[in-house]
Amino acid sequence: AQTVTQSQPEMSVQEAETVTLSCTYDTSESDYYLFWYKQPPSRQMILVIRQEAYKQQNATENRFSVNFQKAAKSFSLKISDSQLGDAAMYFCAYIQETSGSRLTFGEGTQLTVNP
Amino acid sequence: KAGVTQTPRYLIKTRGQQVTLSCSPISGHRSVSWYQQTPGQGLQFLFEYFSETQRNKGNFPGRFSGRQFSNSRSEMNVSTLELGDSALYLCASSPGLAIDTQYFGPGTRLTVL
Repeated sequence: AQTVTQSQPEMSVQEAETVTLSCTYDTSESDYYLFWYKQPPSRQMILVIRQEAYKQQNATENRFSVNFQKAAKSFSLKISDSQLGDAAMYFCAYIQETSGSRLTFGEGTQLTVNP
Repeated sequence: KAGVTQTPRYLIKTRGQQVTLSCSPISGHRSVSWYQQTPGQGLQFLFEYFSETQRNKGNFPGRFSGRQFSNSRSEMNVSTLELGDSALYLCASSPGLAIDTQYFGPGTRLTVL
């Protein structure tokens, strides 16, 4: 079974600093996507960034970027210039073609941003 | 485009009752997936509907069922509610490809007393 592991239950960062959230996954598939979602206190799950496994280039979205290491099955999220609004629970998620539209989520990392 | 909407946002039920939750996907999206989020089990996939057919199903008892209408709106039903069904139920929509980005609604918070 596919698994997604986030080994950091909690992280904190100073405003304007950079923080990296870790994620590893286990799969034997070659065609899959990886995502980072954030869930603020409102509980709305918001897409942060997406990475297709076939792409070698790491995805970036403004202050958010990933370090995708396919051989190591690692997918970390880097948040630059952290803002108070970045405080949320961050989930790493995985989807593969053979399991249809079934997202597998990690346990989540609670990010605190200190002013 | 309007985002995914879910109604109601909050529900309080008692054990043994049944409940129906509704989800309207982003316009043009044909796939709707449902997830249960609890503090103990995290986020778990319930099922997915595409073109009015259940395309994928998670490991939940038969008390959990769903359906999708021709306009892609989806409903989820839980019968004979148990205390353990208290959770945040999230609906997500995607265009319909096998692998695609899913966009989530705000969720329905169900409390079973």
